Amino acid sequence: DAGITQSPRYKITETGRQVTLMCHQTWSHSYMFWYRQDLGHGLRLIYYSAAADITDKGEVPDGYVVSRSKTENFPLTLESATRSQTSVYFCASSEITGGGEQFFGPGTRLTVL
Amino acid sequence: QKEVEQDPGPLSVPEGAIVSLNCTYSNSAFQYFMWYRQYSRKGPELLMYTYSSGNKEDGRFTAQVDKSSKYISLFIRDSQPSDSATYLCAMSASSYNFNKFYFGSGTKLNVKP
Repeated sequence: DAGITQSPRYKITETGRQVTLMCHQTWSHSYMFWYRQDLGHGLRLIYYSAAADITDKGEVPDGYVVSRSKTENFPLTLESATRSQTSVYFCASSEITGGGEQFFGPGTRLTVL
Repeated sequence: QKEVEQDPGPLSVPEGAIVSLNCTYSNSAFQYFMWYRQYSRKGPELLMYTYSSGNKEDGRFTAQVDKSSKYISLFIRDSQPSDSATYLCAMSASSYNFNKFYFGSGTKLNVKP
């Protein structure tokens, strides 16, 4: 299917475990983003990537690691999950940055016990 | 103080009403203004996009930007139950510095049949 997909859609894990959230887009967009959405905070940028092998920190990067070896994939890893990382995570992509439209995936709902 | 402020609602209106959703911001460098709609347990999708000041109309939706007051609005005419969703404003300062792409926390709208 064309578009942007995320997996898993739901994940429950325990404090201290490593978790990887997957994101895949079929448009060959240059830019990809990871956001977390929490009540009262809206969407906050975790990391972004301008192209394969180019990544940079967003507003709330601590505790997260990203990689982008291929244009279409942008996995997000929580190296040692904490309860404060319980959130809904959205991946997005766009062809141009700044004022360009960002297309969002369906989200991954992560619970850290 | 947050860069973008948005009343979280919820806002409940009868079907057919005119709805006004608003955001204020503090960064005078913002030039790109967007409204995203997010249905429950879905990713945000772009609804309206405007550059600089002025109005933009698309069907039942009108976006207004008043840069002098640092205030943006989204009007929905003849509101429908299918408009029930959370509406997020978003803004950016530059096409090249997307790290300043800020979202409001969202306003939840409920349109009653």
